[in-house]
Amino acid sequence: EAGVVQSPRYKIIEKKQPVAFWCNPISGHNTLYWYLQNLGQGPELLIRYENEEAVDDSQLPKDRFSAERLKGVDSTLKIQPAELGDSAVYLCASSERTGTHNEQFFGPGTRLTVL
Amino acid sequence: DAKTTQPNSMESNEEEPVHLPCNHSTISGTDYIHWYRQLPSQGPEYVIHGLTSNVNNRMASLAIAEDRKSSTLILHRATLRDAAVYYCILSIGTGNQFYFGTGTSLTVIP
Repeated sequence: EAGVVQSPRYKIIEKKQPVAFWCNPISGHNTLYWYLQNLGQGPELLIRYENEEAVDDSQLPKDRFSAERLKGVDSTLKIQPAELGDSAVYLCASSERTGTHNEQFFGPGTRLTVL
Repeated sequence: DAKTTQPNSMESNEEEPVHLPCNHSTISGTDYIHWYRQLPSQGPEYVIHGLTSNVNNRMASLAIAEDRKSSTLILHRATLRDAAVYYCILSIGTGNQFYFGTGTSLTVIP
């Protein structure tokens, strides 16, 4: 069974440029998460989807970050415009369903470097 | 945020048991305790979770204090592949809200 797929694995951009990350969760997983991980820190939740609905986006900086999961399957996270401080690893995770403390399966992440 | 406190780093000799501690003094009755680990350049992976009773699986054991204010992840025989950052996490509410701390970086010495 394929795990959570993320692309690209690495991205280098100039500041003020836009960037997008793509995630395909494990088949059948209704819940999808985007996390941000700074160097030496644990992941921090940006947004959580239940199917196509964003049910927790309180930590998403909405002035420059946006996300979508149009058909309740794969998802895209976008930053526009990127700032130097956005350099980090962006992790996507999925789980079967909400409300049951289910295991979260993580992808390998996208490492973003903003110059 | 549901806070956990872990040592920044620990060392273990290969093939010896490892006890990774975690304090979670603000835990409430419905919070689950999860452990994940993260190998270099990979996303975190599930290790074990529990609510009140001690738990065992093929990877590790989880010992939960009677008052639930602390827990210990036990790796019975550390291998070099166990070198990773181990996160102790409380899941609250519906169970999907994970708050990672900075974790414990485990070094396994050959």
